[in-house]
Amino acid sequence: SQELEQSPQSLIVQEGKNLTINCTSSKTLYGLYWYKQKYGEGLIFLMMLQKGGEEKSHEKITAKLDEKKQQSSLHITASQPSHAGIYLCGADRMDSSYKLIFGSGTRLLVRP
Amino acid sequence: EPEVTQTPSHQVTQMGQEVILRCVPISNHLYFYWYRQILGQKVEFLVSFYNNEISEKSEIFDDQFSVERPDGSNFTLKIRSTKLEDSAMYFCASSEPRGASSGANVLTFGAGSRLTVL
Repeated sequence: SQELEQSPQSLIVQEGKNLTINCTSSKTLYGLYWYKQKYGEGLIFLMMLQKGGEEKSHEKITAKLDEKKQQSSLHITASQPSHAGIYLCGADRMDSSYKLIFGSGTRLLVRP
Repeated sequence: EPEVTQTPSHQVTQMGQEVILRCVPISNHLYFYWYRQILGQKVEFLVSFYNNEISEKSEIFDDQFSVERPDGSNFTLKIRSTKLEDSAMYFCASSEPRGASSGANVLTFGAGSRLTVL
């Protein structure tokens, strides 16, 4: 079965600093989805990547999918306290299955 | 913006009791899901539902669990006889059919129902 490993497990940064979260798959990804979860709340969709080398941005968050489609990174520029939460990567198998499988998540805390 | 709504937000129950968690998916979505997140652990897939039947289920989704779409709007998860280890946050999600051009399958999640089994 497909496994997703996220690193780091947790991250504490000072406001204004840049940071990167990584997601590595044991198998080639068809689609890689980034979600954010505020503590004790639901998952909010951020962006989805499909093509090798693809890069997408939303406000100060940029996500990339490597050429081999087995690793993705999420980069936050000039972090703010509002960026705090748990970032989850999810994988799509693009077969008859419609589910997403998630990594363990990266907990981000941004200190003012 | 359309959203997935879940009720109750928090339920406390005694071990062995039946629990029903309710979800109203986004109206034009056709695929429905339940996920579980035990405190401090990863979000785990339980079951997916399409065209009034289960399309896929995980090993977690044993005979104690069942899902139903009793009418045109609600999607429910029933746990027949709760155990201590069923204590978790349960998330409902829904999605449109996979995009014809993009192939994307974006799941929209509800805020979750926290189940505490004593």
